[in-house]
Amino acid sequence: GENVEQHPSTLSVQEGDSAVIKCTYSDSASNYFPWYKQELGKRPQLIIDIRSNVGEKKDQRIAVTLNKTAKHFSLHITETQPEDSAVYFCAANDGAGSYQLTFGKGTKLSVIP
Amino acid sequence: SQTIHQWPATLVQPVGSPLSLECTVEGTSNPNLYWYRQAAGRGLQLLFYSVGIGQISSEVPQNLSASRPQDRQFILSSKKLLLSDSGFYLCAWRVGTGNTEAFFGQGTRLTVV
Repeated sequence: GENVEQHPSTLSVQEGDSAVIKCTYSDSASNYFPWYKQELGKRPQLIIDIRSNVGEKKDQRIAVTLNKTAKHFSLHITETQPEDSAVYFCAANDGAGSYQLTFGKGTKLSVIP
Repeated sequence: SQTIHQWPATLVQPVGSPLSLECTVEGTSNPNLYWYRQAAGRGLQLLFYSVGIGQISSEVPQNLSASRPQDRQFILSSKKLLLSDSGFYLCAWRVGTGNTEAFFGQGTRLTVV
């Protein structure tokens, strides 16, 4: 099955700086890579996703890049704000047509005002 | 629009007691349903998933079981809880397979004492 590794486990940045979270996956057949944000005590919510037919996707201050050859993808948050503080999870589906979504262990991002 | 309900939000149970957590989805038919567990400081671990009524796939051997008595109802159970069953349990649903978003319920914080 799919194995997703996520780094770093914790990240502290100054407000206004950029944050980068990286993930690697093992199944070369995976073709869907979502990122979720989980605020304390709440449910994870999708913030951005990318499919394997594109290399980069942006949504305002958030961007995701995908390198299928190297089997890694990254989340980039620019101009960080205190409300960006949360745990972020990357995930990958277990191959095309799979029912399963495998998550990384999460990154706790703290944005220091 | 689709919504997912999960209850209870918090639960404190003694060791050896039974467990029943319920999840229902509205606004969609034949969803794929999932139970995840999130232990403190760890990622989202897939416990069970179901692609249809009465169809349950288990990802890890454990003290828990799942059932899907109706199309949009997913139940997580245990006959006798262990201390190690404590955690944050999340129900989720997806439509189809592959590259579709997972939507999470609000979660149940289970503490076994």
